[in-house]
Amino acid sequence: GAGVSQSPSNKVTEKGKDVELRCDPISGHTALYWYRQSLGQGLEFLIYFQGNSAPDKSGLPSDRFSAERTGGSVSTLTIQRTQQEDSAVYLCASSSARTANQPQHFGDGTRLSIL
Amino acid sequence: EDKVVQSPLSLVVHEGDTVTLNCSYEVTNFRSLLWYKQEKKAPTFLFMLTSSGIEKKSGRLSSILDKKELFSILNITATQTGDSAVYLCAVQPSTSGTYKYIFGTGTRLKVLA
Repeated sequence: GAGVSQSPSNKVTEKGKDVELRCDPISGHTALYWYRQSLGQGLEFLIYFQGNSAPDKSGLPSDRFSAERTGGSVSTLTIQRTQQEDSAVYLCASSSARTANQPQHFGDGTRLSIL
Repeated sequence: EDKVVQSPLSLVVHEGDTVTLNCSYEVTNFRSLLWYKQEKKAPTFLFMLTSSGIEKKSGRLSSILDKKELFSILNITATQTGDSAVYLCAVQPSTSGTYKYIFGTGTRLKVLA
């Protein structure tokens, strides 16, 4: 595709349920990032994947959060036993190279609302 | 702890005005600084800065980095209503094994007709 694709665009669920958010990066991009953006806040780093290397999970806020990236392409962010404070926009970004000199390209995000 | 601070938090101007947005940072071993524009959804890339004192320019937008004083500014001249957005600054520390970015909370700019 032409850009980073995220699905669903909106998700409303009850507290305690599990949710899965999907990110399809730009074809050929080896780096993939997940961020969380709460209302009126900046982007909070969650996790970073680069090729086949071990992911940088240092931003995951609790063990209820996990992410995987299968085949070096599509990634899924899973939140178990959702809490109201998990309500936010979850943004995915990808970039084309291992080095720092390539900007990230963002998807439109998934707006998650926990009732 | 690595951090990025943007100011002002919000700004309201009239069309034609010039604005300056600020981004200061404290990170371990700076690698690069990026500016993004976020309207309704996906942030869109504006500039990447790695060297001090070299201005990057795109139309009415320009940005410069000062690695000694640890800040960057984003200038927008002759503002238009289409410039209304949140402007995000992100810094990438040079940490072995990862290329994550640290974002500021953004500056919300509103340009009135």
